[in-house]
Amino acid sequence: ETGVTQTPRHLVMGMTNKKSLKCEQHLGHNAMYWYKQSAKKPLELMFVYSLEERVENNSVPSRFSPECPNSSHLFLHLHTLQPEDSALYLCASSQGTSLGDTQYFGPGTRLTVL
Amino acid sequence: SQQGEEDPQALSIQEGENATMNCSYKTSINNLQWYRQNSGRGLVHLILIRSNEREKHSGRLRVTLDTSKKSSSLLITASRAADTASYFCATTNQAGTALIFGKGTTLSVSS
Repeated sequence: ETGVTQTPRHLVMGMTNKKSLKCEQHLGHNAMYWYKQSAKKPLELMFVYSLEERVENNSVPSRFSPECPNSSHLFLHLHTLQPEDSALYLCASSQGTSLGDTQYFGPGTRLTVL
Repeated sequence: SQQGEEDPQALSIQEGENATMNCSYKTSINNLQWYRQNSGRGLVHLILIRSNEREKHSGRLRVTLDTSKKSSSLLITASRAADTASYFCATTNQAGTALIFGKGTTLSVSS
């Protein structure tokens, strides 16, 4: 266990549904991340939060909406997704965001969009 | 944009053999990290090597860094079936705010 948990582990949703992914870290870290991992592609950084403020947004479509209510929790709200959004969504945390601090990953949520 | 790129994409070896994976990157770095991912799971940090270091060891892992060639290698000695996983190198983006991962090397170790 890395100290980062994600729920749900698996999610199947239709294109008109609204769902949320949850991430929680128990490490006292100040930075949290969302990544998307699709087959045969590098991990794609989606969002970075440092001290609950968004510091990086890699041109992610607006159908993905992050929320960071406190330094321990991170959500990814999903609505009107497309089948190509099916992927493994990974959450990670680190002490800070400077100079590539070691990141601790959760187990991921396997998302399937029908 | 992708910073690190691993080579080979896939590697199959027998238990007990050594496995070597390479990573090339494009811009100057402060450090380089290697991560491991078991199928469908999250990534686990293995080792970090700083730009002023040339070699680092951790158990059966040996990492080298050649900043003049912008490359790093990960050597796993005396491999085990449990080493079967994907291995990624990661460096920071230009802003220094996040890690950029390569596509990874998929290692299969058969017993």
